[in-house]
Amino acid sequence: AQTIHQWPVAEIKAVGSPLSLGCTIKGKSSPNLYWYWQATGGTLQQLFYSITVGQVESVVQLNLSASRPKDDQFILSTEKLLLSHSGFYLCAWDRANQAPLFGEGTRLSVL
Amino acid sequence: GEQVEQRPPHLSVREGDSAIIICTYTDSATAYFSWYKQEAGAGLQLLMSVLSNVDRKEEQGLTVLLNKKDKRLSLNLTAAHPGDSAVYFCAVRAPPNKVVFGTGTRLQVLP
Repeated sequence: AQTIHQWPVAEIKAVGSPLSLGCTIKGKSSPNLYWYWQATGGTLQQLFYSITVGQVESVVQLNLSASRPKDDQFILSTEKLLLSHSGFYLCAWDRANQAPLFGEGTRLSVL
Repeated sequence: GEQVEQRPPHLSVREGDSAIIICTYTDSATAYFSWYKQEAGAGLQLLMSVLSNVDRKEEQGLTVLLNKKDKRLSLNLTAAHPGDSAVYFCAVRAPPNKVVFGTGTRLQVLP
């Protein structure tokens, strides 16, 4: 069975500090991978997607970047956090014509 | 790009009643439709998904209807119970790899 794991579960960071969030999918080769951001009480905004190792497409510009160093790993990062980066970050995976399946998310508070 | 509207934003029903949530979308090329449930502080749980060639799908007390002519997708929870209380999101998949979410419906099922 496929599993998707996000880390860390939660982060409290200072404005201007760097950030790295991770996501690993096990039990599925060559998945499509996604990063989403959710403001408290809000809807989900797709940030990035990747269909293969080393390839990442940006959907919106939020001073964040993403990388896919391995087939089963997706990393979200920034060198300098903003207050507006606070929220819930969700990683998801799917195959063509399937609905994305989500991890449990990382809650980020930027102070 | 694809636009998705979801209504109502809040819905309160009595236990045993049905709850209906509706989404409308704009892109007729949309090929895949999904409904998710999100409980407080958690990731998204996939409830049901349908391809564009399906008009109706029923599973475990849930009914999804797709009206392609009106570009409308609905979720009907028949005989809702308190455990159904959560936020529900529709999602539509626009080629090639963009998944757009509705704004969410907070459902409260009262005993």
